[in-house]
Amino acid sequence: AQSVTQLDSQVPVFEEAPVELRCNYSSSVSVYLFWYVQYPNQGLQLLLKYLSGSTLVKGINGFEAEFNKSQTSFHLRKPSVHISDTAEYFCAALTSGTYKYIFGTGTRLKVLA
Amino acid sequence: DAGVTQSPTHLIKTRGQQVTLRCSPISGHKSVSWYQQVLGQGPQFIFQYYEKEERGRGNFPDRFSARQFPNYSSELNVNALLLGDSALYLCASSLGVGGADTQYFGPGTRLTVL
Repeated sequence: AQSVTQLDSQVPVFEEAPVELRCNYSSSVSVYLFWYVQYPNQGLQLLLKYLSGSTLVKGINGFEAEFNKSQTSFHLRKPSVHISDTAEYFCAALTSGTYKYIFGTGTRLKVLA
Repeated sequence: DAGVTQSPTHLIKTRGQQVTLRCSPISGHKSVSWYQQVLGQGPQFIFQYYEKEERGRGNFPDRFSARQFPNYSSELNVNALLLGDSALYLCASSLGVGGADTQYFGPGTRLTVL
């Protein structure tokens, strides 16, 4: 069965430091992969998505992610974080040809001054 | 342009009651999906509707039902509420149902069951 694993439940990082949020997926078929951000008391906002093509995907707010098929990973990175990046980040997968998004359990990014 | 809107924002019910949540998609979007997000967890897929037809259903009991209207708005109905139904219910809209169609999420309805 398809699943998405976010290895870190919380990631504290100092402002202006780089950050990587890890995501692994399991699927025997092609998948589309997504990263969403959720600020307190708000819905989810799409940061970036991988459908096909280049394995390095650039998104909004300076975030990027790299699709690694051999390691079944889709880690999210940002070279320099800001206080405003403090939020919950969700990785999600959609198996090609299906309708059902599978979300990970989320990673809480806390940026420290 | 208005984003996805949901009503009400908050709701308190007691066990055994019924609740109806509403969602208005972005103008031009024909697909609406519903998700349940329990505190501390990722969203869980409940339903997807496209052109007023159910296209998919997640692993939820029959107490959960939904429908989509001709104007593409949608309602999620939950009968015989249980304490475990307490969650944030998210609605997402998209142009279509393909993976290339980005889902845009509303702010959610927070349901508390006492």
